[in-house]
Amino acid sequence: QAGLTQPPSVSKGLRQTATLTCTGNNNNVGNEGAAWLQQNQGHPPKLLTHRGDDRPSGIPERFSASRSGNTASLTITGLQPEDEADYYCLAWDSSLNAWLFGGGTKLTVL
Amino acid sequence: EVQLVESGGTLVQPGASLRLSCAASGFTFSTYYMHWVRQAPGKRPEWVADITPDGSTQYYVDSVKGRFTISRDNAKNSVFLQMNSLRAEDTAIYYCVRLFENWGQGALVTVSS
Repeated sequence: QAGLTQPPSVSKGLRQTATLTCTGNNNNVGNEGAAWLQQNQGHPPKLLTHRGDDRPSGIPERFSASRSGNTASLTITGLQPEDEADYYCLAWDSSLNAWLFGGGTKLTVL
Repeated sequence: EVQLVESGGTLVQPGASLRLSCAASGFTFSTYYMHWVRQAPGKRPEWVADITPDGSTQYYVDSVKGRFTISRDNAKNSVFLQMNSLRAEDTAIYYCVRLFENWGQGALVTVSS
C-alpha cells in the first residue's frame, strides 16, 4: 500500500542531534526524494527542505536532508527548544499522480 | 513578499457545495503550479489538488475526484476550489500553497448537520 511511514515520536536532549526518517517506495521517496516540513500547533506547515536538500531562504543550516534508497532523513543538529514541533515528509508519487504526506513525527526536546 | 489569502470557508451541511478562493500576490502567479492542501483536526496534512500554471491540467487526490474542481484566473492572480457533495470527512482547514514553501493561513470548512 502506498504511503510514507514516519515514527510517531522522537525525543532528544537540548543541543543533541535528532534524525527523523521517512520510508516510502520506488514510486515516491526512491524516485525523486522527499521534502520536509515543520508544523507548530495552530500554524500552517513550514517548508524546511525541498526535495534534493536545498533549503528555502531563512532556514538554518542545522536542518539538512538526505536519502538512501526508499528512506529519506531529516537531521537536526544542535537541538533548540523551538525545534519541538511536528515534522512531516512529503513526496510525489508517480504511480498515484499524487503528493503524499507522511504520518508525522512529534519531536520532543528534553 | 509572497502572500496567499484564502476565503470562503464556513459551516455547511452534508451534500452542500462550497467554493474557496485564494488571492495571491508578491510573485508572478501565472508561472507557478498552485496547490490546495487540507488538514483535519489532529491529522496529517493531505494534498487535495493542484493545477498547472496555464490551468490546462489538474490532479486530485482519489477521495475528492469527481466532487472537487480546482481552477485559476491568472488575470486576477487567484486560484479556486469548487467543492460539491461535501461530506463530514471533508471537514478541515484548507490551505492555498505555492511550491509547498508558501502557505496561506487557511480557510476552515466544517461539514455538519
